[in-house]
This record gives sequence, structure tokens and C-alpha cells, in this order.
Amino acid sequence: QKEVEQNSGPLSVPEGAIASLNCTYSDRGSQSFFWYRQYSGKSPELIMFIYSNGDKEDGRFTAQLNKASQYVSLLIRDSQPSDSATYLCAVNMEYGNKLVFGAGTILRVKS
Amino acid sequence: EAGVAQSPRYKIIEKRQSVAFWCNPISGHATLYWYQQILGQGPKLLIQFQNNGVVDDSQLPKDRFSAERLKGVDSTLKIQPAKLEDSAVYLCASSLVGGAADEQFFGPGTRLTVL
Repeated sequence: QKEVEQNSGPLSVPEGAIASLNCTYSDRGSQSFFWYRQYSGKSPELIMFIYSNGDKEDGRFTAQLNKASQYVSLLIRDSQPSDSATYLCAVNMEYGNKLVFGAGTILRVKS
Repeated sequence: EAGVAQSPRYKIIEKRQSVAFWCNPISGHATLYWYQQILGQGPKLLIQFQNNGVVDDSQLPKDRFSAERLKGVDSTLKIQPAKLEDSAVYLCASSLVGGAADEQFFGPGTRLTVL
């Protein structure tokens, strides 16, 4: 079992729709969770982080965390073509206190 | 505020050659990370420094990879000798204190091609 799993996609959504990106993790003791966006040929940039169960909203982005199910998701409302990128889920593992990344989900927003 | 700087941006070498990458973190950041990102995969942590001490190098192939962070600021990552499977983007990141909630800021990366 991979430590952090994401569907590789590509996930295609029309402009203006909601994009839903999912991530599961193996370490039940993990406490902090991050979503990074990576444009092709560029380095990752942080979009959101979440520590507590429930939802956290920031503009068009909402992160959702369910520690019991070891599941974290990212919703992007009113998707724009500029949102087309790879979205990386990263989990700070309790053991070793290090960030482990998933392989990423490719999102394509079609205008 | 200047971001994380890396050089070179691109490097092409033959297998069995050596190569070195340089990273300058954001000023004041105590923690520095080196990641390897193979095409189609997420970044994989190679080594983490806290100031000039190593916190984690469990995934660093120590028979060929080495890294140092002199004076707790700049860092270099070296590969000697390189293998074909080392072709990847090498990302340097830094964070303020290295805690579990710390945001990591990434540099532009060095794309290494081993022929």
C-alpha cells in the first residue's frame, strides 16, 4: 500500500464546474495535510493546508479532511482553464515528521 | 522576499559522470530539503537539514548521492557516479522551522538528464 494515494487522472471538467480531487493516506497518526499545485515544468506551490476534521475554505478552494477514513479532498469551485495543472496531496507522516507526496492528479479544465 | 534559488536549471551528463546542484534557501529559513521528482511521480524526499545538521536522509542513495549544508545556509547535492535512473528534476525547498505545520517553499528545480 502506498503511503499517499491519488487517482492520476486526467480529470476533465468544463469551465465553471466543480472539480473534486481525492487523496487517501496510510499513516493513521498523520496530523497535517497539504495540497500543492504544480504547473507543467514548474515547481509545486502550496494551495491549502488542513489539520482538523471537517472543511476549510479559501476562496474557490475547499479542503475536506476525514481522519477516521484517512481521506482528504480538495474541491475547486467555478473551475477555470488556469486551474489546469497537477494537484499534489502531501501528508506529514507522524513517523519521521516528514512530508510524503502522492503522485498527483492531472486536472484539465475545458473552456 | 526572494524565493529559493537553484542552479543550474538544466544539466545533461553521460552516465558515470558526476554532477552537483546548488540551492540557496529563503533568508532565515532553518530547514532545507532536497527532493527528487521523476516524471509522472510526486516529489520524494532525499534529505532534510535543520540548520547544518541532517534530520532525515533515509531515502538518500548514499553510495552515490551526497549533500551538505555548510554554515546552515546554502546547500549542494552531488551525484557520483550518475545512473540513467537518476534522470529527474531535483527540487530544493525551505521552511521556517521544519515543523509539521510548516509550509515548504520550492525552488524552480534542476532538470537532470543522464544519457
